[in-house]
Amino acid sequence: EDQVTQSPEALRLQEGESSSLNCSYTVSGLRGLFWYRQDPGKGPEFLFTLYSAGEEKEKERLKATLTKKESFLHITAPKPEDSATYLCAVQAGGSYIPTFGRGTSLIVHP
Amino acid sequence: GAGVSQSPSNKVTEKGKDVELRCDPISGHTALYWYRQSLGQGLEFLIYFQGNSAPDKSGLPSDRFSAERTGGSVSTLTIQRTQQEDSAVYLCASSLRVTGQETQYFGPGTRLLVL
Repeated sequence: EDQVTQSPEALRLQEGESSSLNCSYTVSGLRGLFWYRQDPGKGPEFLFTLYSAGEEKEKERLKATLTKKESFLHITAPKPEDSATYLCAVQAGGSYIPTFGRGTSLIVHP
Repeated sequence: GAGVSQSPSNKVTEKGKDVELRCDPISGHTALYWYRQSLGQGLEFLIYFQGNSAPDKSGLPSDRFSAERTGGSVSTLTIQRTQQEDSAVYLCASSLRVTGQETQYFGPGTRLLVL
């Protein structure tokens, strides 16, 4: 059974304090790994798609990386507006349905 | 361009009543997905459509849940005889096609509360 585990469950940072969120997965035949941001009361907002180990993508203060077993979402010098829940999802094998992790709730204090 | 839209944004109903939730996907997206998100839980897959057909209904939690899609566009998720445990946020997503690598874009969700 495909498994996606995100850690930590919750993270509190001071503004400017860089950190990383982890998404580890056990799947057969990774097709794609997706990162989303979800604000309270809203639907998930797409951030990145990674397809193969070694791939990296950046957007503003966020950088996503992928290995054969996990992905990291690095947040550099975060701001309070980066506060949200970050979701990771994996599509693998013959399934067209992504498996989502439970998310990491990030709070950035000013 | 316009993103995925869902209506209503909020729905309060009484136990035993039927509800219909609507999803308008991004224009040109052939794949459409329904998920349920309960407080503190991850996204639970319900059903997906490729065009108007639903190859995978395995995620529907009971026979009270059904969904249809017409014209390859709008989809409706119907919950009959609602129960309190049906209270959740129902999210719709669409993608260009179903290949296993396509990014899904989500709507804002419908918050359902069953009293």
